[in-house]
Amino acid sequence: AQKVTQAQTEISVVEKEDVTLDCVYETRDTTYYLFWYKQPPSGELVFLIRRNSFDEQNEISGRYSWNFQKSTSSFNFTITASQVVDSAVYFCALSDVMDSNYQLIWGAGTKLIIKP
Amino acid sequence: DVKVTQSSRYLVKRTGEKVFLECVQDMDHENMFWYRQDPGLGLRLIYFSYDVKMKEKGDIPEGYSVSREKKERFSLILESASTNQTSMYLCASSSLGREQKETQYFGPGTRLLVL
Repeated sequence: AQKVTQAQTEISVVEKEDVTLDCVYETRDTTYYLFWYKQPPSGELVFLIRRNSFDEQNEISGRYSWNFQKSTSSFNFTITASQVVDSAVYFCALSDVMDSNYQLIWGAGTKLIIKP
Repeated sequence: DVKVTQSSRYLVKRTGEKVFLECVQDMDHENMFWYRQDPGLGLRLIYFSYDVKMKEKGDIPEGYSVSREKKERFSLILESASTNQTSMYLCASSSLGREQKETQYFGPGTRLLVL
């Protein structure tokens, strides 16, 4: 069965620190997709990135970077030089071809607090 | 940009009332979803629809129904609201298109309080 684990319930750092949010997934499929979403205090879930299982290249977008490692079934998210506006709950999610039927399997989320 | 809108940001209803939550997307997406989000329980799928007039139960459909009469609109109905349905409700849509398949785009959410 598919599963997404975000072991860090809450992380608190001081502004300008780098921070990494962990995501570990389980799936029996060889074709799958991984996602990160951000949920600021306003409540809307904002799509950040989608990665398919055949693309193991790391992705960088400004201060955000993602490290996909199939060997450890992890898809970790790093924010460099964090800012107060990065404070939010971050969700990792998985969708696979075999079992998902268009659905996403969600992690529990990691609440990130950036202190000024 | 994908735009998903929900009819209300905040809603207060009485126990036993019939409640309609409306969701509209403007990107011609085939799939639409309703989730509820509660502290400590994460996002849970209530219902989804992959075509007009089609619906599938998610993980927690009890006490809810849905309607999809038009492609752009997906309604969540609480037939008789109860206090345990107090929650944040999130609507999402996704496309069957090759490049964006499975990527769900969310509306701003509706915080429902049932008294």
